[in-house]
Amino acid sequence: GQNIDQPTEMTATEGAIVQINCTYQTSGFNGLFWYQQHAGEAPTFLSYNVLDGLEEKGRFSSFLSRSKGYSYLLLKELQMKDSASYLCAPLSGAGSYQLTFGKGTKLSVIP
Amino acid sequence: NAGVTQTPKFRVLKTGQSMTLLCAQDMNHEYMYWYRQDPGMGLRLIHYSVGEGTTAKGEVPDGYNVSRLKKQNFLLGLESAAPSQTSVYFCASRWTGVADTQYFGPGTRLTVL
Repeated sequence: GQNIDQPTEMTATEGAIVQINCTYQTSGFNGLFWYQQHAGEAPTFLSYNVLDGLEEKGRFSSFLSRSKGYSYLLLKELQMKDSASYLCAPLSGAGSYQLTFGKGTKLSVIP
Repeated sequence: NAGVTQTPKFRVLKTGQSMTLLCAQDMNHEYMYWYRQDPGMGLRLIHYSVGEGTTAKGEVPDGYNVSRLKKQNFLLGLESAAPSQTSVYFCASRWTGVADTQYFGPGTRLTVL
């Protein structure tokens, strides 16, 4: 089975930086996805990490440490529209068919 | 290029009724998935398919059946709906490779009375 742990809620100020952590325990790890989900909408893809290290995409960056079973999503220059849930999803198992999603971190950006 | 589409967007059923949810993708992806999302539970995998004519069970398959007769379509069936199946259902398709990406459809909100 898999165990994925993310903080349930976080609050941050507009213009600031926030880091959302995800720890996981899986068998046969093959990569990790991050998704953003606004209330009432479908998840949208943010990033995919398969190797250790930091990957940057504009205001969003994602970090992975496979040996520690740890990832984080870094959001810079926060905007009000970044208020959403952020879902961590490790890819694992034979064939790498399935993503298992954490329960998500609800981020609230305040003025 | 519509991406991933789902039909219908909303549906209300009575206990015991049956229905089929349709997912279609125009990206020629091999892998397709059905998830349900409930408050406090996150996204849970119901069934998935790794190619035309193949299906497999996910985490919560009971009460659902699926078919993938054509590569672009993945159908989710509820033979006898129960109130516990009230949920938001998301379909997804996935491109595997160096830039592995999974795209979600807009969702179907199902209420079973």
